[in-house]
Amino acid sequence: SYDLTQPPSMSVSPGQTATIACSGDRLGQRNVCWYQQKPGQSPVMLIYQNNKRPSGIPERFSGYNSGNTATLTISGTQAMDEADYYCQSWDGSVGFGGGTKLTVL
Amino acid sequence: EVHLVESGGGLVQPGGSLRLSCAASGFTFSGYWMSWVRQAPGKGLEWVANIEDDGRTKNYVDSVKGRFTISRDNAKHSLYLQMNSLRVEDTAVYYCGRETPGGQVWLDYWGQGTLVTVSS
Repeated sequence: SYDLTQPPSMSVSPGQTATIACSGDRLGQRNVCWYQQKPGQSPVMLIYQNNKRPSGIPERFSGYNSGNTATLTISGTQAMDEADYYCQSWDGSVGFGGGTKLTVL
Repeated sequence: EVHLVESGGGLVQPGGSLRLSCAASGFTFSGYWMSWVRQAPGKGLEWVANIEDDGRTKNYVDSVKGRFTISRDNAKHSLYLQMNSLRVEDTAVYYCGRETPGGQVWLDYWGQGTLVTVSS
């Protein structure tokens, strides 16, 4: 599988900006997708093709990908954004990042 | 509205077999690639396998090659995962997911998952 690395955890204060990184070899040359998973729930697609939002996803979620790192940015973080976040890409094989647990406090 | 409903999970002994099903509704099932993704307890997501819309092309993660078989029945709007020679490390919640067009294995809809426990 395609190896992608994420920080295991991070915290942010309500209303602040959270930036979650995902790194991989030449990741900027690939397309990246981001998912949100809340406890006991299935993952939900937040971002696809690096920076596109599916319908229904709030504008405060945005994505960027360049070099070896992709980032998911959550602007004006809300308590409801507390969840696990996973990046995903494809390089002949499918890879997920290990996930980042975001705490809003 | 798109719905994916998995079933077939349960407790099985190492070396045993299990067949998972995923019932799809709310979209033209025969027009989409489909995937299985699993999540071990307390762990991250791992892609397992996918299948082309017409069933001709199938791909697997190395750890399940030769043991798992993905298939589909477009007439029944159903996706399957036959799991043989199960190992303790196959214990996970198994999700089926619909892939967006484009071949990047992005999953825009997921089922609720079914738990597979491999234990003696």
